[in-house]
Amino acid sequence: NAGVTQTPKFQVLKTGQSMTLQCAQDMNHNSMYWYRQDPGMGLRLIYYSASEGTTDKGEVPNGYNVSRLNKREFSLRLESAAPSQTSVYFCASSAHLRPATNEKLFFGSGTQLSVL
Amino acid sequence: QKEVEQNSGPLSVPEGAIASLNCTYSDRGSQSFFWYRQYSGKSPELIMFIYSNGDKEDGRFTAQLNKASQYVSLLIRDSQPSDSATYLCAVTNDYKLSFGAGTTVTVRA
Repeated sequence: NAGVTQTPKFQVLKTGQSMTLQCAQDMNHNSMYWYRQDPGMGLRLIYYSASEGTTDKGEVPNGYNVSRLNKREFSLRLESAAPSQTSVYFCASSAHLRPATNEKLFFGSGTQLSVL
Repeated sequence: QKEVEQNSGPLSVPEGAIASLNCTYSDRGSQSFFWYRQYSGKSPELIMFIYSNGDKEDGRFTAQLNKASQYVSLLIRDSQPSDSATYLCAVTNDYKLSFGAGTTVTVRA
């Protein structure tokens, strides 16, 4: 059972470089999310997609773009990486369009990104 | 003010003891409350959810919710070394799931 698959697992960028983080889920979930996790900050929502073809900003969207390519895939792009974007990035998915009472997020294994 | 605040820890408890984790939230409209466990270097996994005032028990875990005080807690009874992890409190209001910074628990053998 693959669940939520993220690539790459590790990445080092120089300031100003661009890259795309890929995420795919095989659970037929409607909603997908991108979070970043920094020490002492918890998980912060960058962008989310309630359904195929829709995306919305979360708490910390600046410097990022997303694409919901189809129901399975949701990518996160850094157009011009900055050291402040050094973080661990998690993709997640959930079954429903909006969190229900017992909504559960399924997380990918994370991407450790360092921007020098 | 952060939306979700947790006691910073780290929390060290002896094996077999009760670990008590606390969480407060700022949005009175919050609907559901979750506890996720995250082992070092791994992704979070859901261990408990609660949406009604009172206690909810699942094995050695008990979640407690007090909406009037905007407070949710997690008790881990008979703590085991395998419970050593960071515990994240999460609160949902509509689409958004907001996480606290987490409390790291270490269970001493």
